[in-house]
Amino acid sequence: QSVLTQPPSVSGTPGQRVTISCSGSKSNIGSNIVNWYQQLPGAAPKLLIFINNQRPSGVPDRFSGSKSGTSASLAISGLQSEDEADYYCAAWDDRLKVGLFGGGTKLTVL
Amino acid sequence: EVQLVESGGGVVQPGGSLRLSCAASGFTFSDYWMSWVRQAPGKGLEWVANLKQDLSEKYYLDSVKGRFTISRDNAKKSLYLQMNSLRAEDTAVYYCARGLDYSNYFDSWGQGTQVTVSS
Repeated sequence: QSVLTQPPSVSGTPGQRVTISCSGSKSNIGSNIVNWYQQLPGAAPKLLIFINNQRPSGVPDRFSGSKSGTSASLAISGLQSEDEADYYCAAWDDRLKVGLFGGGTKLTVL
Repeated sequence: EVQLVESGGGVVQPGGSLRLSCAASGFTFSDYWMSWVRQAPGKGLEWVANLKQDLSEKYYLDSVKGRFTISRDNAKKSLYLQMNSLRAEDTAVYYCARGLDYSNYFDSWGQGTQVTVSS
């Protein structure tokens, strides 16, 4: 059971907007930046959002991140079939002195 | 182009050892924190360890403390993970990742190397 809690799955139809939540605590999300990773089937993870809400070059602006208190969320608008992947939130934990990943959320595009 | 290439994975018996390597190219290796992240079959990502540029700070996942050692050779642009006393639960794909700091902020990843612990 992960310290950072994500829903196991979300789904949506093409063009829809979906959000993925990530819940933590004061010692991790509450004190540090949150990053999000996308992992396509059979591929290595890829940085999707960094420092809570920044997009690396090449990531479409359909992807956005936010953080409030001890929770964060990833929003994907204008859903496309190629967005079907696993999504992970990540943060450092100051109390445990370890890196944390959420359990991952599988996005299905119906 | 930033490249991270892992090697050294394989099949090992419980209690055995393996040494993973990660060869970096396309960037100034000594400017970055480096980390190992693993993914067990059908499971999510799990951070394993990280190491600061100057080797002054390193951190480990509790379940690998005392068994795994992260190290680096900046002159050779290489990151290593010495894994001893391996257990079945260490079976995973191990990724090398470049970090901007100590946190889970990885802007580049390798393709991974498979480690299987089985008798």
